[in-house]
Amino acid sequence: QQQVKQSPQSLIVQKGGIPIINCAYENTAFDYFPWYQQFPGKGPALLIAIRPDVSEKKEGRFTISFNKSAKQFSLHIMDSQPGDSATYFCAAPPDDNNNDMRFGAGTRLTVKP
Amino acid sequence: DTAVSQTPKYLVTQMGNDKSIKCEQNLGHDTMYWYKQDSKKFLKIMFSYNNKELIINETVPNRFSPKSPDKAHLNLHINSLELGDSAVYFCASSQRATGGRTDTQYFGPGTRLTVL
Repeated sequence: QQQVKQSPQSLIVQKGGIPIINCAYENTAFDYFPWYQQFPGKGPALLIAIRPDVSEKKEGRFTISFNKSAKQFSLHIMDSQPGDSATYFCAAPPDDNNNDMRFGAGTRLTVKP
Repeated sequence: DTAVSQTPKYLVTQMGNDKSIKCEQNLGHDTMYWYKQDSKKFLKIMFSYNNKELIINETVPNRFSPKSPDKAHLNLHINSLELGDSAVYFCASSQRATGGRTDTQYFGPGTRLTVL
């Protein structure tokens, strides 16, 4: 079922590093590109989202970069902290004929102290 | 106040049993969803309801039947439980938009189902 391509599957960085997670989408008519964060034992929660009229959005240490021509969007976490260790999901429609969001496979991020 | 709530939080049952999971949202949203999250953390959408009408029904066995008595509630009933049904089930809600626009999904805390 999974048709939203997210990479990498897992990521380990040292504290202060800048992990980058990528997501590829198909539906060029879509206008909402979110990243969700999930801690163990909790439900996913919206972290940050971007509309395609801008190429970048920052909220605190979290930045989304949007590349319309490549049909990709990425999450960057600046000055990563151990508390950022979680699973991150992007969401996008799986294809041009579908406006309903599907989640990527998730990226398990570990930030080592 | 809890925005999206699910009961029960844990459910342990034997193969072949029938069980239900309840979900309620107090956000005034039009759309509610059920997701299954397996041990590899993959979030698979199962169903979506908009104003009590089924709008998404992914390839899910007939043993799973959602019921939406009103737009604030979406329950999931599972018949003849199998070992492979063991997972965490999440309910979510959003203010659904149309024409390529959508909105944030708010997730419940999840129900961990274990089938023995």
